[in-house]
Amino acid sequence: GAVVSQHPSRVICKSGTSVKIECRSLDFQATTMFWYRQFPKQSLMLMATSNEGSKATYEQGVEKDKFLINHASLTLSTLTVTSAHPEDSSFYICSARPRQYQETQYFGPGTRLLVL
Amino acid sequence: AQKVTQAQTEISVVEKEDVTLDCVYETRDTTYYLFWYKQPPSGELVFLIRRNSFDEQNEISGRYSWNFQKSTSSFNFTITASQVVDSAVYFCALSDRWGGGADGLTFGKGTHLIIQP
Repeated sequence: GAVVSQHPSRVICKSGTSVKIECRSLDFQATTMFWYRQFPKQSLMLMATSNEGSKATYEQGVEKDKFLINHASLTLSTLTVTSAHPEDSSFYICSARPRQYQETQYFGPGTRLLVL
Repeated sequence: AQKVTQAQTEISVVEKEDVTLDCVYETRDTTYYLFWYKQPPSGELVFLIRRNSFDEQNEISGRYSWNFQKSTSSFNFTITASQVVDSAVYFCALSDRWGGGADGLTFGKGTHLIIQP
């Protein structure tokens, strides 16, 4: 149990296009989902917190108009990188917090984004 | 504000040696959780352990053991009789909000562990 999936696992796009990444909790309901970004050989940095049915909370320095987050259901959160540029190339990882176990987060396998 | 420090950027040992990965944290909260994750080259995070701030008992799981010392704000991770498959980047992380607060994890910079055959 407690499986989180991400789609796509890898995406290559041209500069200026938008890319949507999905994060799904497959066997539990998640009231909260988190989005992290990891640049090569660096740590994971929290980008934003997504709560079902409400607006996402963004960490300092993260542009909310560039990284659109939607958490429309208890099992799905999406991150859209709008007008992507090469500097947005990174590894994006989501995690989901189960409704029943608030102290636990389950991580997805990550999405590698390469912007040409 | 919370902070996690993993001072060891890279450690290289020969197989079967014991190795300890250090983690020092900072938080103002009295209730918090500490985690260790393993990240192999595939990138997927593998959960290793979660420890809450009220439980200072050390834990052992097979070749893995963890030493939690609140007095020094440390949560160190030891691998006994290391194996090549242990090669990965290991992250220590902190969550310092209890339950209902929407708080993500603060990660350390990671320690790249290389086990040589």
